[in-house]
Amino acid sequence: DTGVSQDPRHKITKRGQNVTFRCDPISEHNRLYWYRQTLGQGPEFLTYFQNEAQLEKSRLLSDRFSAERPKGSFSTLEIQRTEQGDSAMYLCASSLEIVVGINYGYTFGSGTRLTVV
Amino acid sequence: QKEVEQNSGPLSVPEGAIASLNCTYSDRGSQSFFWYRQYSGKSPELIMFIYSNGDKEDGRFTAQLNKASQYVSLLIRDSQPSDSATYLCAVFVYQTGANNLFFGTGTRLTVIP
Repeated sequence: DTGVSQDPRHKITKRGQNVTFRCDPISEHNRLYWYRQTLGQGPEFLTYFQNEAQLEKSRLLSDRFSAERPKGSFSTLEIQRTEQGDSAMYLCASSLEIVVGINYGYTFGSGTRLTVV
Repeated sequence: QKEVEQNSGPLSVPEGAIASLNCTYSDRGSQSFFWYRQYSGKSPELIMFIYSNGDKEDGRFTAQLNKASQYVSLLIRDSQPSDSATYLCAVFVYQTGANNLFFGTGTRLTVIP
C-alpha cells in the first residue's frame, strides 16, 4: 500500500484522557500535515513537518496538542486531557515539494475519528 | 487566514445533467487550485488541480480558473449518482516556511437518479 496510513480509524475516549494518533505518509513525500475536520466544515490546518522539522503550528493547536515526526518518517499527534470539543476527524496528509512553491496537491489518509465522551 | 468561499449547497442535479460548483478566494498570491471530493465519513480525495487561467479537462470533470476574478469552478458532465459527495475547493499559496493549502467549507452535491 503506497497511500497515507492512519491509525486508529476510530477512537472513543473519556474526557480528560490522553490519546495518540499515528500517521505513515507516502514514503517519497517530504512534507506531512495534520488537519482537523468537524461536521460541515472543510479541513482546518493544525501543523506540518518538512522532513523531521515542525515548521508551523496553527493557533488551533493548543498546548494540549503535540506532534512529532522522529527521523522524518511517521508522525504522531497527541492530545492531552481531551475535551468534548476535541471530537473531530483528524486527517493526516503528505505531499512532495521538489521545486519551491510548486505543489501538486496533498494526499490524505483515511483519518482518525475521535469521539470524546 | 486565507479565505476560500464556497456555496455550501446542497446542490441537486438530475442524473446526466451538468453540475457546476463554484469557489472564490481572497488571496491574489494564490498559485494553484485543487478540487477534492469527499464522501460522507471518508477523507478528501484529489480529483483536479489547475494552475493557469482557462479550462482543464479530465474525463467528465472540467476545472475553470479566472485569476483576475479570483474564481475557480468545477463542472461535472453527465452527472452520476456516484458523484454525490461534498466537493472541497482548496487554494495553494506559497509562503516560505508556512503551510500553504487552505480549504473552503465544501459544497454538497446530490445527483438524483
